Amino acid sequence: DIQMTQSPSSVSASVGDRVTITCRASQGISSWLAWYQQKPGKAPKLLIYAASSLQSGVPSRFSGSGSGTDFTLTISSLQPEDFATYYCQQANSFALTFGGGTKVEIK
Amino acid sequence: QVQLQESGPGLVKPSQTLSLTCTVSGGSISSGDYYWSWIRQPPGKGLEWIGYIYYSGSTYYNPSLKSRVTISVDTSKNQFSLKLSSVTAADTAVYYCAILGGNWYFDLWGRGTLVTVSS
Repeated sequence: DIQMTQSPSSVSASVGDRVTITCRASQGISSWLAWYQQKPGKAPKLLIYAASSLQSGVPSRFSGSGSGTDFTLTISSLQPEDFATYYCQQANSFALTFGGGTKVEIK
Repeated sequence: QVQLQESGPGLVKPSQTLSLTCTVSGGSISSGDYYWSWIRQPPGKGLEWIGYIYYSGSTYYNPSLKSRVTISVDTSKNQFSLKLSSVTAADTAVYYCAILGGNWYFDLWGRGTLVTVSS
């Protein structure tokens, strides 16, 4: 299986801050990566697919980059509704795997 | 707009089989556009993909769960189902059904249902 490692596991930030989350794959996955946002008690929501493509309806302050093994999710100016847990997911192999998650908390 | 809804017992005894159903509304499971998937999340922990099925019945399972998992589809009812056998407390989780698009990302999720394994 392809292992996905996210860092940090949690980050404290203030409204307006720029936040960057990283995801590393145990082997190259080209651009086969997605990012999801999950709020407490809710199902995850697809934010970004193919490493950098914004899902319809997702605010433009979210962006993704990377290819191969190293990827980043950036929130350019953190908004109150962005406090949540974020997960990456690789889609390079039939055995799909998620990262462990990064919780974005209020500072 | 397609919607997904999980249903099934919220409590299962150890060693028994967990059974859940996902009902698809607003679209046909036979459209061939998607794969139909199950994902779970233990309380306070991360996401684990369980497996997926195509409307034709072809399946692919997480290797770590493969020996205990069966996913099936009922096109006449527009439903797909999950069976997980020989459950233990470690199988306690919120179980989500989700649409896996042809690009291999989970485009849409159900609300999830908590299944607790306890005697």
